[in-house]
Amino acid sequence: GIQVEQSPPDLILQEGANSTLRCNFSDSVNNLQWFHQNPWGQLINLFYIPSGTKQNGRLSATTVATERYSLLYISSSQTTDSGVYFCAGPSSGTYKYIFGTGTRLKVLA
Amino acid sequence: SAVISQKPSRDICQRGTSLTIQCQVDSQVTMMFWYRQQPGQSLTLIATANQGSEATYESGFVIDKFPISRPNLTFSTLTVSNMSPEDSSIYLCSVGGYGEQYFGPGTRLTVT
Repeated sequence: GIQVEQSPPDLILQEGANSTLRCNFSDSVNNLQWFHQNPWGQLINLFYIPSGTKQNGRLSATTVATERYSLLYISSSQTTDSGVYFCAGPSSGTYKYIFGTGTRLKVLA
Repeated sequence: SAVISQKPSRDICQRGTSLTIQCQVDSQVTMMFWYRQQPGQSLTLIATANQGSEATYESGFVIDKFPISRPNLTFSTLTVSNMSPEDSSIYLCSVGGYGEQYFGPGTRLTVT
């Protein structure tokens, strides 16, 4: 089945720093989403981005479907950005979302 | 988008018992999904719950351990049966088909 790898696995930033998180897929995907899981376990939708670039405030994402990767950019990080970031998507022809390994982010004040 | 609620939000259970988790959606949806997230791990799909048919389980998950009901297009339950400490996880339901997926707040289960 499809494999989804995320890098880096862990990241520690000072407040105000920028970062780039990467998601690589072993096979083509129909859709791709980025999620933020807060410390209470809730999964929050960040971006639904099968291809192209989207921006929402300090966050932006880019998916290059032909090369099977996606990037999540966080600018001017804040302590509330702490948590785990997951990318996920279904392998081509299915609706079953496969989740990446996650990037655990900690932003220090 | 879809608004999803789950009950209970958390529970502590004794080994050998069963817990039923409820998932309610604010609109009718064809497909609902159940995921498990073990401590420090990513999310793993347990099964797809389709209204009017048996749930479809992923490799490593069986109906006897995780029976699922889907009585209508807005509701589903997942039962964790004969629990052991290894079942301590967050259980999440989600909705979505070939498009964007939305997740409930999760049920945090601890088995002692």
